[in-house]
Amino acid sequence: ELKVEQNPLFLSMQEGKNYTIYCNYSTTSDRLYWYRQDPGKSLESLFVLLSNGAVKQEGRLMASLDTKARLSTLHITAAVHDLSATYFCAVAPNTGTASKLTFGTGTRLQVTL
Amino acid sequence: NAGVMQNPRHLVRRRGQEARLRCSPMKGHSHVYWYRQLPEEGLKFMVYLQKENIIDESGMPKERFSAEFPKEGPSILRIQQVVRGDSAAYFCASSPLSDNEQFFGPGTRLTVL
Repeated sequence: ELKVEQNPLFLSMQEGKNYTIYCNYSTTSDRLYWYRQDPGKSLESLFVLLSNGAVKQEGRLMASLDTKARLSTLHITAAVHDLSATYFCAVAPNTGTASKLTFGTGTRLQVTL
Repeated sequence: NAGVMQNPRHLVRRRGQEARLRCSPMKGHSHVYWYRQLPEEGLKFMVYLQKENIIDESGMPKERFSAEFPKEGPSILRIQQVVRGDSAAYFCASSPLSDNEQFFGPGTRLTVL
């Protein structure tokens, strides 16, 4: 059974600071997704990572994937309050049902002034 | 191009009643997925359907839950004889192909009294 772990579960950071969220998964996968969720809202797609070494950046967020280490990171640069949300990684397995996403527990990010 | 649509957005049921949740995928998408999110948790896969077929229902509870995606009309997730533990947000996602990125709907928040 594919397991996905995120850490930290909760992150409080000041505006302007940098931090990294980690996503570890337990079985082989070449497809990893990062989503953002605001309270009471749906999931907004942030990044789609489809190969080892993939790196994508959008604004103050940068995501990377290391399939050999089974690790993805979401790096936040110079955080701003608008980034406050819960961030989820989700992994699609290489075997079995390719569409069956397994989500991490989420990292609740709070950016303070 | 309208996104994934779900209705109702909020649903209140008393214990023992039935809940019907509807999902209309994005135009051109024939793959539908249902996920459940309990408070303060990540999303958990329930079922994956294509038109008129259930592809993977490994995440569905064996009793009281069923899903369909008919040739015409929306996909429906049906919960019979609801219990308090069914209270959650239920998200539907769709994709054009089985291993493509999934796009999420706004969710249905079910409350069982």
